[in-house]
Amino acid sequence: AQSVTQPDIHITVSEGASLELRCNYSYGATPYLFWYVQSPGQGLQLLLKYFSGDTLVQGIKGFEAEFKRSQSSFNLRKPSVHWSDAAEYFCAVGASPSGGSNYKLTFGKGTLLTVNP
Amino acid sequence: EAQVTQNPRYLITVTGKKLTVTCSQNMNHEYMSWYRQDPGLGLRQIYYSMNVEVTDKGDVPEGYKVSRKEKRNFPLILESPSPNQTSLYFCASRGLAGVHGELFFGEGSRLTVL
Repeated sequence: AQSVTQPDIHITVSEGASLELRCNYSYGATPYLFWYVQSPGQGLQLLLKYFSGDTLVQGIKGFEAEFKRSQSSFNLRKPSVHWSDAAEYFCAVGASPSGGSNYKLTFGKGTLLTVNP
Repeated sequence: EAQVTQNPRYLITVTGKKLTVTCSQNMNHEYMSWYRQDPGLGLRQIYYSMNVEVTDKGDVPEGYKVSRKEKRNFPLILESPSPNQTSLYFCASRGLAGVHGELFFGEGSRLTVL
């Protein structure tokens, strides 16, 4: 079964600093990877996704992520964080478990980002 | 505007009082699913539906029911809610044209069971 690990429960950065959120996945085949963001009281918004091709993926709001198969990682990065980036971030892997019909996302437990002024 | 709509957004109820959380999508998506989100546990799948009249259990189906009588709607039913079902619930949908497309999520329904 697939799984996702986000090692950092909570990260605090200063506004303008760079950001990297870590994500490690476990899946037997080619993974389909996603990063979602959840602002307080809001639903989940897709930041970016990786299906195949270029391993560096660009997303919305200035985010990017790099797929590294050798490390089973899909880390999210942003060169300069804005106060509005404060939110919870979820990494997810999409798969059809056991080759069945249910295509589902398996989520990590999330990383809460705090941005200091 | 393409969207997934859930109602109610907030609900406080008491143990044993049946309730339904509705979910509707306007994107003509075949696939719909319910997740619950709990602190420290992330999102876990409750039920899913591949199309009308086709539903199946996810990872945490106990205490829940669903139905899919129309393509656009996928209600979540708690026949006898218990406090351990206090959670934030998300409905999601996607089309099946792309094999591994993204899920579109509703804004969530926060349920408290006293």
